[in-house]
Amino acid sequence: QVQLVESGGGVVQPGMSLRLSCVASGFTFSDYGMHWVRQAPGKGPEWVAVIWYDGSRRSYGDFVKGRFTISRDNSENTVFLHMESLRAEDTAFYYCARDPSLSPSYHFDHWGQGTLVTVSS
Amino acid sequence: DIVLTQSPAILSLSPGERATLSCGASQSVSNNYLAWYQQKPGLAPRLLIYGASTRATGIPDRFSGSGSGTDFTLTISRLEPEDCAMYYCQQYGSSSFFGPGTKIDIK
Repeated sequence: QVQLVESGGGVVQPGMSLRLSCVASGFTFSDYGMHWVRQAPGKGPEWVAVIWYDGSRRSYGDFVKGRFTISRDNSENTVFLHMESLRAEDTAFYYCARDPSLSPSYHFDHWGQGTLVTVSS
Repeated sequence: DIVLTQSPAILSLSPGERATLSCGASQSVSNNYLAWYQQKPGLAPRLLIYGASTRATGIPDRFSGSGSGTDFTLTISRLEPEDCAMYYCQQYGSSSFFGPGTKIDIK
């Protein structure tokens, strides 16, 4: 069965960096676009970023403003989110999620369990 | 950006009753690219419906989606206790945005 397992969350100070990882199993990873979606406590989900199945294209939510980078390693079935210049408003659960299409459709048919990022001094 | 609204904010119903959840968009959703997700406390969202009306794999047929353009509906025909959750709509025709959610409480 499809499994997505995130790691790398934690408590960081404002302005610091963090790299999240998501290891996939149970499907042919290189056939799917992958996303990061975040959810602040008590709020609705917010799409963060997508990377095409082959890593050739990436797209980000407007709020990212060049601070985050999504990447993937298809040999390791892993997608990453590198976050810089973190702000308090970036505090959220970060989920990786699979797009059901080769060319991303921007909806999500499988989600990981999430990893919590807390930005606080 | 397309802004989504959801109503009601909270729906309190008894098992066996019918639940009707609404999702409105500030402009027409391209190709009816509208999805519904269920989220239980402490868990990730689960895809229920995509393309406004197509059930995702493994979703019971008591969940159904309808609508087009700017007005969409999720209907749960016969509520069961395990349907107690938050429900979010998402448009993915122009980037991706979620609504604020409807909470279903089971009496």
